[in-house]
Amino acid sequence: GQQVMQIPQYQHVQEGEDFTTYCNSSTTLSNIQWYKQRPGGHPVFLIQLVKSGEVKKQKRLTFQFGEAKKNSSLHITATQTTDVGTYFCAGSHSGGGADGLTFGKGTHLIIQP
Amino acid sequence: GAGVSQTPSNKVTEKGKYVELRCDPISGHTALYWYRQSLGQGPEFLIYFQGTGAADDSGLPNDRFFAVRPEGSVSTLKIQRTERGDSAVYLCASSFRRADNEQFFGPGTRLTVL
Repeated sequence: GQQVMQIPQYQHVQEGEDFTTYCNSSTTLSNIQWYKQRPGGHPVFLIQLVKSGEVKKQKRLTFQFGEAKKNSSLHITATQTTDVGTYFCAGSHSGGGADGLTFGKGTHLIIQP
Repeated sequence: GAGVSQTPSNKVTEKGKYVELRCDPISGHTALYWYRQSLGQGPEFLIYFQGTGAADDSGLPNDRFFAVRPEGSVSTLKIQRTERGDSAVYLCASSFRRADNEQFFGPGTRLTVL
């Protein structure tokens, strides 16, 4: 079946260091979304990437979608304690909206002050 | 202007019992999803509704799981003969029209089967 792999599973960083999480799909995606889930909370949408090679930025966050539309990354510059949480990528395999999202297992970001 | 709401927030039941979990999506959102999230895992897709019909139920693990959305708004996830392995947080999400638009998640229902 469709799989979305995400690495690393855990990432410990010192506050102020950069952080990157990577997402790979076994099949070509129509689009990819990124979500953040705080401890005890629910996933909150961050961004959607649709085009091959697309790069989007949100303040300290940079999102990339691979040329083959099978991989993606999220990079956070100069992490802050508010960045703590689990970051999930979620792939959509159908451009016609016929199915739900396939989520990765997430990368847990732990920040040491 | 409320977000997605889910009730109950917590449900404890005994093995073999029947449970219903309710989701009230954002008004005007035609797409509604159910996911299941176990500790340390990402949300696992269960079923997707577009309006009143189940457009994709391929994620339902077996025939003990069933979901309805009779009027195209509120949805109920029904689990028969619950098993301990059904324990998880059940998340509901809704989106505007297309399935691959931004999904807005509810707070979830934590189901514990003893």
